[in-house]
Amino acid sequence: QTVVTQEPSFSVSPGGTVTLTCGLSSGSVSTSYHPSWYQQTPGQGPRSLIYNTNTRSSGVPDRFSGSILGNKAALTITGAQADDESDYYCVLFMGSGIWLFGGGTKLTVL
Amino acid sequence: EVQLVESGGGLVQPGGSLRLSCAASGFTFRSYWMTWVRQAPGKGLEWVGNIKPDGSQTYYVDSVKGRFTISRDNAKNSLYLQMNSLRADDTAVYYCARDSLGWHPLDYWGQGTLVTVSS
Repeated sequence: QTVVTQEPSFSVSPGGTVTLTCGLSSGSVSTSYHPSWYQQTPGQGPRSLIYNTNTRSSGVPDRFSGSILGNKAALTITGAQADDESDYYCVLFMGSGIWLFGGGTKLTVL
Repeated sequence: EVQLVESGGGLVQPGGSLRLSCAASGFTFRSYWMTWVRQAPGKGLEWVGNIKPDGSQTYYVDSVKGRFTISRDNAKNSLYLQMNSLRADDTAVYYCARDSLGWHPLDYWGQGTLVTVSS
């Protein structure tokens, strides 16, 4: 059973840069998995940030960027702000119409 | 403005059934894949399944196959999730979401509806 892996938690200083990753328990993530990223604050529904590896969703500031780093998908936040403190989820296309979420990363800005 | 509004959640006993609805507005519903995603209390997101624009094809995560059925009524701009043989681990907030073109899944989300499976 393939698992999508994310760091459970991460912290960044205000104004700093942080890179969150999205990997596979077996194998490498490539653009063929069409990784997407979502931000969720407590009590709210998720918000689309990045899709198809590196395309920003409408209205998402360019502080957020997506890429493939090594064998993982990555979400980089530059110039972190207090309201970036959220849970971040990646999702990968696994084929046969199926998508699979990672477990999420809780980002703290302090 | 794209809007997705889920309804139908509530408390149900193990083994019971429930049907969730999602009312869509602000876009041409019949042109888009639609998806259900759930989130157990204090846990992460889980992709449940999706449905093709014309309703002719559906896909499901293994844990709900044979128990859950996704359908849609394009004339009513509505998406449905029929849940049967419910178990305690189906307890979650259920979100409907739109899949956009260009490998852009889940571009818009509803606010979610809570399903609690408990005796």
